[in-house]
Amino acid sequence: NAGVMQNPRHLVRRRGQEARLRCSPMKGHSHVYWYRQLPEEGLKFMVYLQKENIIDESGMPKERFSAEFPKEGPSILRIQQVVRGDSAAYFCASTGTGGWGYTFGSGTRLTVV
Amino acid sequence: AQKITQTQPGMFVQEKEAVTLDCTYDTSDPSYGLFWYKQPSSGEMIFLIYQGSYDQQNATEGRYSLNFQKARKSANLVISASQLGDSAMYFCAMRGARAGGSNYKLTFGKGTLLTVNP
Repeated sequence: NAGVMQNPRHLVRRRGQEARLRCSPMKGHSHVYWYRQLPEEGLKFMVYLQKENIIDESGMPKERFSAEFPKEGPSILRIQQVVRGDSAAYFCASTGTGGWGYTFGSGTRLTVV
Repeated sequence: AQKITQTQPGMFVQEKEAVTLDCTYDTSDPSYGLFWYKQPSSGEMIFLIYQGSYDQQNATEGRYSLNFQKARKSANLVISASQLGDSAMYFCAMRGARAGGSNYKLTFGKGTLLTVNP
């Protein structure tokens, strides 16, 4: 399967814990995007990364959220000290050069209890 | 800034009939792309169809067609011969077409829940 791989599919965390969401882009893609979908809402852009660089983080909350896309390995979206309002579906997408060929992963459903 | 408006929270259609899902947009970009995605109850985002702002013809992909009216800033999705498996959320989205940075992110509408009745 050469698609965008996200894991885990479902993640349950207690308030105050850390959540780590992983995304491996489609083969040949070097651009990764994270989106958040709150219940009953469309997807909202969070951050755009290329290898080792954050290109646009205009949609990231200023505190507790961070993202990276290291030279080796998957992109990671980290949420520290999770709160109930962080419960959402988090989607990763990847594109090739030029930003086209958008392909989404299956998402990670985060539930904070 | 870009904005997508989907005014129909929910739509119903009889199996085998056609249905139109509305999408209007607003952007200051001279060139842009418009997308439709389907999200079934299983949650994944499935790409359906794409329209570039300078494309001369309306896009079509099988039973999906995009009714693009640039002057009205609308990009409605038409699904012909609806099937039970078409029941899902449908999202309209757009991005700028110029190269570089923030143009690559997608802006989504709130979606329309389509229910196909047997």
